[in-house]
Amino acid sequence: LAKTTQPISMDSYEGQEVNITCSHNNIATNDYITWYQQFPSQGPRFIIQGYKTKVTNEVASLFIPADRKSSTLSLPRVSLSDTAVYYCLVGDMDSSYKLIFGSGTRLLVRP
Amino acid sequence: NAGVMQNPRHLVRRRGQEARLRCSPMKGHSHVYWYRQLPEEGLKFMVYLQKENIIDESGMPKERFSAEFPKEGPSILRIQQVVRGDSAAYFCASSPASGSNYGYTFGSGTRLTVV
Repeated sequence: LAKTTQPISMDSYEGQEVNITCSHNNIATNDYITWYQQFPSQGPRFIIQGYKTKVTNEVASLFIPADRKSSTLSLPRVSLSDTAVYYCLVGDMDSSYKLIFGSGTRLLVRP
Repeated sequence: NAGVMQNPRHLVRRRGQEARLRCSPMKGHSHVYWYRQLPEEGLKFMVYLQKENIIDESGMPKERFSAEFPKEGPSILRIQQVVRGDSAAYFCASSPASGSNYGYTFGSGTRLTVV
């Protein structure tokens, strides 16, 4: 599974757009990129998954450039409840059942 | 349509006691995964089970830890003779089939404190 690098922490204010970038230079052809969100005292929650270009759902957007060596999770108009740790994972989703979590990005949303 | 249920939510054990953590997967999910999370760290894979089978236990400590997923009932993670270093949050996830593209649903975890 490819190693990922993401910022340790980020600060934002309510109503702003937050972009968290993840670096995965060694991503393999069959690897997908998945983001999870974890609130304190809870298990991780799936946010979004993509392979290339752009994916959007009701929660977030995921931007993946052509070389796929990085990806950006975009959270539109964050609220206080978006304060959480965000994990970027990369792996072959057909064969890999071991999710490899790094230390994640701690997002703090201020009023 | 309950999610992954873990109990107890909090568990306190004295050194040397046994800890039993339970995980009931989502309805229709036959694949269960256990992860451990130390404070301020990401989750670490421990074991992957299907009904009555251990598929991969490469993340489990060699001693004192065991896991099962019987034909009937929840999956159990058992820690014998607990030590202070076992204090952590233990999360269970389930999926309908193997492979991350099928989506993992995590429970809220069991927080084990060894005193």
